[in-house]
Amino acid sequence: ETGVTQTPRHLVMGMTNKKSLKCEQHLGHNAMYWYKQSAKKPLELMFVYSLEERVENNSVPSRFSPECPNSSHLFLHLHTLQPEDSALYLCASSPTTGVAGELFFGEGSRLTVL
Amino acid sequence: DAKTTQPNSMESNEEEPVHLPCNHSTISGTDYIHWYRQLPSQGPEYVIHGLTSNVNNRMASLAIAEDRKSSTLILHRATLRDAAVYYCILRDYTDKLIFGTGTRLQVFP
Repeated sequence: ETGVTQTPRHLVMGMTNKKSLKCEQHLGHNAMYWYKQSAKKPLELMFVYSLEERVENNSVPSRFSPECPNSSHLFLHLHTLQPEDSALYLCASSPTTGVAGELFFGEGSRLTVL
Repeated sequence: DAKTTQPNSMESNEEEPVHLPCNHSTISGTDYIHWYRQLPSQGPEYVIHGLTSNVNNRMASLAIAEDRKSSTLILHRATLRDAAVYYCILRDYTDKLIFGTGTRLQVFP
């Protein structure tokens, strides 16, 4: 138990659906992240939020839309996804952004796009 | 982005020490060396990090070469629960944590 909770753990959606992934942390951290882990590929950083402001957008397609309403919650809104977007989506938090801090990861949301 | 190079896989027996190597020849002076591990069906878990000096914590030790171009994660007594993919990562001032493919550690009873 890392203190970072992701829901749902599993999601199956069609290409025309709209769904959202949710991440929640009550560790008092100020930075939150979305990572994507595809089969047999390294984890890819998607978005970084610091104090609810997006500080990094790693050339992610617009069909992925993040939202950080407060420092404890992070969402990833999904619409018109492609089958190649099927992956494990991991949320993480850290006390601050910066080189030395430790990241706490959730267990991930396994997304399947049909 | 600075890159790291790790062996694809390593094996160990239970109760034996494990030395997981990592090369990072393009490391810059301000990059921290982080290690994470990922157990099956879980998110990555922080193991240890350091800058220049060797580091110890309850999970492992980190030995950093004097020129900082390589480092070694040391598990002093491997257990079956240590079987995981271990990632060596350089974290720079931009806060990016760029994962490579890691080393898959198998531990045999």
